[in-house]
Amino acid sequence: DAGVIQSPRHEVTEMGQEVTLRCKPISGHNSLFWYRQTMMRGLELLIYFNNNVPIDDSGMPEDRFSAKMPNASFSTLKIQPSEPRDSAVYFCASIPFLGTGNTIYFGEGSWLTVV
Amino acid sequence: AQTVTQSQPEMSVQEAETVTLSCTYDTSESDYYLFWYKQPPSRQMILVIRQEAYKQQNATENRFSVNFQKAAKSFSLKISDSQLGDAAMYFCAYTSGTYKYIFGTGTRLKVLA
Repeated sequence: DAGVIQSPRHEVTEMGQEVTLRCKPISGHNSLFWYRQTMMRGLELLIYFNNNVPIDDSGMPEDRFSAKMPNASFSTLKIQPSEPRDSAVYFCASIPFLGTGNTIYFGEGSWLTVV
Repeated sequence: AQTVTQSQPEMSVQEAETVTLSCTYDTSESDYYLFWYKQPPSRQMILVIRQEAYKQQNATENRFSVNFQKAAKSFSLKISDSQLGDAAMYFCAYTSGTYKYIFGTGTRLKVLA
């Protein structure tokens, strides 16, 4: 079975540009997460979707960040405008459903560098 | 609030030897789930082992095993017969079954040839 698929794997962009990260969760998983990993702050939950509906976006740092999940097999995380402090590895992850401590499956991550 | 603490920022082990990575957590829940994830230089987070708190038996996966001490709220990972490919960051994680997965700060494991 295919795992969580993210694109792009690496992105280098200039400050002020729009960045769009994409994610395809594992088929049949109804919960999707976006995390950000930095040296300073570790792994942070940005937003959580259940059945395509955003349930908790309290981790989204600023209005510059937005996330959508138009259907069960696709999600995007957008940063507009991007800033150097947004440089990080962004992970998408999914689980089949809540309630039984399911293993959370991560994508390979999108390594973003904003210069 | 639930917390996960990994007190060892870095550990080293000689190839073929055994190493134990420590993890403690704090929770008021009686039922929960614990995980160890490995993050190699490629950055992908890979599940190593999962433990259900209601199970007394410690989980094992080949060379990886845990020492789960529920009363002490301790969940250490033992890697036996360490291999060069085990070199990575290791993260301990907790969930009570909600969407909130709490991750520790990680332990960098170096394997010496």
